[in-house]
Amino acid sequence: DTGVSQNPRHKITKRGQNVTFRCDPISEHNRLYWYRQTLGQGPEFLTYFQNEAQLEKSRLLSDRFSAERPKGSFSTLEIQRTEQGDSAMYLCASSPYNEQYFGPGTRLTVT
Amino acid sequence: GEDVEQSLFLSVREGDSSVINCTYTDSSSTYLYWYKQEPGAGLQLLTYIFSNMDMKQDQRLTVLLNKKDKHLSLRIADTQTGDSAIYFCAESIGTDKLIFGTGTRLQVFP
Repeated sequence: DTGVSQNPRHKITKRGQNVTFRCDPISEHNRLYWYRQTLGQGPEFLTYFQNEAQLEKSRLLSDRFSAERPKGSFSTLEIQRTEQGDSAMYLCASSPYNEQYFGPGTRLTVT
Repeated sequence: GEDVEQSLFLSVREGDSSVINCTYTDSSSTYLYWYKQEPGAGLQLLTYIFSNMDMKQDQRLTVLLNKKDKHLSLRIADTQTGDSAIYFCAESIGTDKLIFGTGTRLQVFP
């Protein structure tokens, strides 16, 4: 297993379009996290799954954002009606318990 | 509330030790972490410490935790040019989300 993978690595979209990102965690990690990182800042928590259950959502996650982890393995993060303020790096992490291991991220640019 | 603070920049000469500092506010933190991020990349977990420990050493890395002052530090011995990156301190409560600082950019010069 080579670690957490995320696809696509880069996404450029026009304002108002919908985008979907995918995260494949390290196998057998039952916890999966999404974070958002903007330039010059540390990552900010968005949401967290334990197996297929979404256990916590940040106030940052407006109703345009939705995340799923249907079979407790990979996860998707969808942003509807994208806005320029959504431009950021979206990071996924998986964890067996204490440590979180991050993927390379998906960089979203909204034009 | 939850807040993690770090100084923005640190510049050291190759071969010297680097010390990166972090303060946090939430006394119920259970684990504290150090991550490294290189340009355009994700975050690499360097080390972490349980809140009831004072110190943890892992090869060139030494983590010191002063729980009374809510102060965490990362010492990198014999700093190399490959250590140039942004270093993030993070705290967690239980096994949930991480709260990150804004990162310290370490520059290593020859």
